[in-house]
Amino acid sequence: DADVTQTPRNRITKTGKRIMLECSQTKGHDRMYWYRQDPGLGLRLIYYSFDVKDINKGEISDGYSVSRQAQAKFSLSLESAIPNQTALYFCATSDRGGIYGYTFGSGTRLTVV
Amino acid sequence: RKEVEQDPGPFNVPEGATVAFNCTYSNSASQSFFWYRQDCRKEPKLLMSVYSSGNEDGRFTAQLNRASQYISLLIRDSKLSDSATYLCVVNRRGSTLGRLYFGRGTQLTVWP
Repeated sequence: DADVTQTPRNRITKTGKRIMLECSQTKGHDRMYWYRQDPGLGLRLIYYSFDVKDINKGEISDGYSVSRQAQAKFSLSLESAIPNQTALYFCATSDRGGIYGYTFGSGTRLTVV
Repeated sequence: RKEVEQDPGPFNVPEGATVAFNCTYSNSASQSFFWYRQDCRKEPKLLMSVYSSGNEDGRFTAQLNRASQYISLLIRDSKLSDSATYLCVVNRRGSTLGRLYFGRGTQLTVWP
């Protein structure tokens, strides 16, 4: 099994719908992150969590919310999806110091129509 | 100013060529440095960490110049399978320790 698992892998949803992307990890890492990637824009941080009780906004948190249900689980919600949220979404984890870099999930390709 | 800046390329090189990528970072307090590789529509994967003394992993050599705040990646004897986007990544000392900052990536295509 993958160290960081994202579900679903692909999703098409309609404008205005609420959608949740889920991430779970077996790395035992405290820190979890949600990024989106758009062509030409690179990875942009949406939210990050340093532990279950610590949630922080990233660069582009508007229109998104998160929930850290447990050390191993970090969910991203789009409250009312809009077409410009169509992107590739990645969850990542790191140890406390980040000295070993991140481990990424395989990504969720989200299309909002 | 962006935390990490890279030339987006694309770099198009023949098999067997040597190619080098550079990136610069803005925060002198950065303490960990990495190169990630990302294949099209796949997740980024750690290629190698970058150490102050420079380090090599097979055909890949990474260098760090703290004084000039730049990082380089050299790929020798390029293979078709090296075609990917290479991301320069740094972290920053301080309250957000552990959070990484990504460059937008440099695209490499190796042709036969």
